[in-house]
Amino acid sequence: GEDVEQSLFLSVREGDSSVINCTYTDSSSTYLYWYKQEPGAGLQLLTYIFSNMDMKQDQRLTVLLNKKDKHLSLRIADTQTGDSAIYFCAERDPFESGYNKLIFGAGTRLAVHP
Amino acid sequence: ETGVTQTPRHLVMGMTNKKSLKCEQHLGHNAMYWYKQSAKKPLELMFVYSLEERVENNSVPSRFSPECPNSSHLFLHLHTLQPEDSALYLCASSRALTGGNQPQHFGDGTRLSIL
Repeated sequence: GEDVEQSLFLSVREGDSSVINCTYTDSSSTYLYWYKQEPGAGLQLLTYIFSNMDMKQDQRLTVLLNKKDKHLSLRIADTQTGDSAIYFCAERDPFESGYNKLIFGAGTRLAVHP
Repeated sequence: ETGVTQTPRHLVMGMTNKKSLKCEQHLGHNAMYWYKQSAKKPLELMFVYSLEERVENNSVPSRFSPECPNSSHLFLHLHTLQPEDSALYLCASSRALTGGNQPQHFGDGTRLSIL
């Protein structure tokens, strides 16, 4: 079955790097996504990675994919208070449902303190 | 501004009321989705529409009735809801349902409270 797991909480000091981890079970996943949800808002697409890539960098964000271990991580460099939010990992499962169905993790709450 | 607008942002209703949630996307997308987000539970996919045709109905109770009159608009009609239906209802859209990278873009949601 499909399952995406994330740790629920992460606390970091402002200026440090944050690493949010995610594991997934469906080896046929083609795209994996990271979304950010701030209080009172919807999910904002941050970045994505295609399954034939190991790494993708976009400004302060670095996504690492270990396909063998089905492990995905999001690194945020120089974490700021504005990065405090819930971060969701999602895998795309095109096969079981036959369409672009996203399977979401439960989200990791990132708290940034001075 | 995500290009997906949901109204109202907040809704309080009694169990016997009838109300509707509205979603409009300005992205030229062909697929639209309704999700329910409850505290301490993963995001639940409720309904999926592609070109105004319902593709999926994830065992959602009949007190929730979706409507997609065109590819830019999606409604969720609510009738005789229960307290456990209190949640954040999120609308999303994607360019298409199949083929290549199809990230979903979300609105800010409607916070629904059932008295």
